[in-house]
Amino acid sequence: DAKTTQPTSMDCAEGRAANLPCNHSTISGNEYVYWYRQIHSQGPQYIIHGLKNNETNEMASLIITEDRKSSTLILPHATLRDTAVYYCIVRVAHYGGSQGNLIFGKGTKLSVKP
Amino acid sequence: GAGVSQSPSNKVTEKGKDVELRCDPISGHTALYWYRQSLGQGLEFLIYFQGNSAPDKSGLPSDRFSAERTGGSVSTLTIQRTQQEDSAVYLCASSPGTGRQPQHFGDGTRLSIL
Repeated sequence: DAKTTQPTSMDCAEGRAANLPCNHSTISGNEYVYWYRQIHSQGPQYIIHGLKNNETNEMASLIITEDRKSSTLILPHATLRDTAVYYCIVRVAHYGGSQGNLIFGKGTKLSVKP
Repeated sequence: GAGVSQSPSNKVTEKGKDVELRCDPISGHTALYWYRQSLGQGLEFLIYFQGNSAPDKSGLPSDRFSAERTGGSVSTLTIQRTQQEDSAVYLCASSPGTGRQPQHFGDGTRLSIL
């Protein structure tokens, strides 16, 4: 089972920031937080990952709370093309075997509206 | 840029036939995963290859499923004597290696068994 809890759906106005929350209260010290998204009929797309520090790349920012029990993915200026299902996943930095496979939950369906 | 490439993108076949699905990972990526995604469901891990190590086959649902990876690059997933419950999207992902490296997915093969 997935180790994360996310809201089922969210709406965001085009051009505004989209803030997607994720709870991972049972996260272990060696587990990373990964975010992926899946647009209809496409494979999952990697967005960002982090351990304990906040991270930023060209797609998004990841804010992880100090106790690491929750995180927020921020899309700073959402566009219609950001409409997708967003998945928050926790996983160890693995060194072989199926422990490295990703376990996707239900995710959050983000709808960006004009 | 050259991402993970999967072929065919769609495959329709009759029950009982064998099918072969192909995955071309990102050049230089040593780790390769196969997953399948049934309609409205999460990803189900199937098999994992890492370099020259023996593959982790723990996710294969039956002995009708097999996979190989030749020369550490291209991988093929073979399903023998297909059944209707095999209908799903089969996704391939690759990553630079183990540790915390994220996986990058192809767009999958949509398999329909009539």
